[in-house]
Amino acid sequence: KAGVTQTPRYLIKTRGQQVTLSCSPISGHRSVSWYQQTPGQGLQFLFEYFSETQRNKGNFPGRFSGRQFSNSRSEMNVSTLELGDSALYLCASSNPQETQYFGPGTRLLVL
Amino acid sequence: GENVEQHPSTLSVQEGDSAVIKCTYSDSASNYFPWYKQELGKGPQLIIDIRSNVGEKKDQRIAVTLNKTAKHFSLHITETQPEDSAVYFCAASIFGNEKLTFGTGTRLTIIP
Repeated sequence: KAGVTQTPRYLIKTRGQQVTLSCSPISGHRSVSWYQQTPGQGLQFLFEYFSETQRNKGNFPGRFSGRQFSNSRSEMNVSTLELGDSALYLCASSNPQETQYFGPGTRLLVL
Repeated sequence: GENVEQHPSTLSVQEGDSAVIKCTYSDSASNYFPWYKQELGKGPQLIIDIRSNVGEKKDQRIAVTLNKTAKHFSLHITETQPEDSAVYFCAASIFGNEKLTFGTGTRLTIIP
């Protein structure tokens, strides 16, 4: 079975721009969660989608948003980028009450 | 909300020796505790997990112990090998709730 895939793997943006990241879950998985990883704050939960509905949300500003499609693929969007948004964005997929499996991440650099 | 503390932040052990990483959690409702290994340039990979209805779980050289009363759990790696060098993260959640709260990570270095 193919693992979680994330595109793009690397991205450079400038302050004020917006960005969209994509995540394809493991086949058959219906839940997709997003995490931000930075050296200072570590791994922090952004939000989780299940059956196209956001079920959980972390403590991030409204500039961070996401959605899930009927095939369980998910996207997250960050608007009005700030320097502090530079991070590794990780996507994890699972089915309810099962283990989460992480993708390789998208490394975002905001200049 | 849940808070997870992890110690030590760095750990160096001789190849063949054992390594122990400890975590504490704050929310007594948490009942699921996975451990992830992250290598450079990769996403976290699950290495072992434990639910609160058991006190210990073992998978070959890796074991996890859980003390619900004290709200702490530990990762034990025996007979360490160079490929065990990585950053290890503990996490806690309420099983079925996909929100994982992670510890700050332990950089484990195995000295040949």
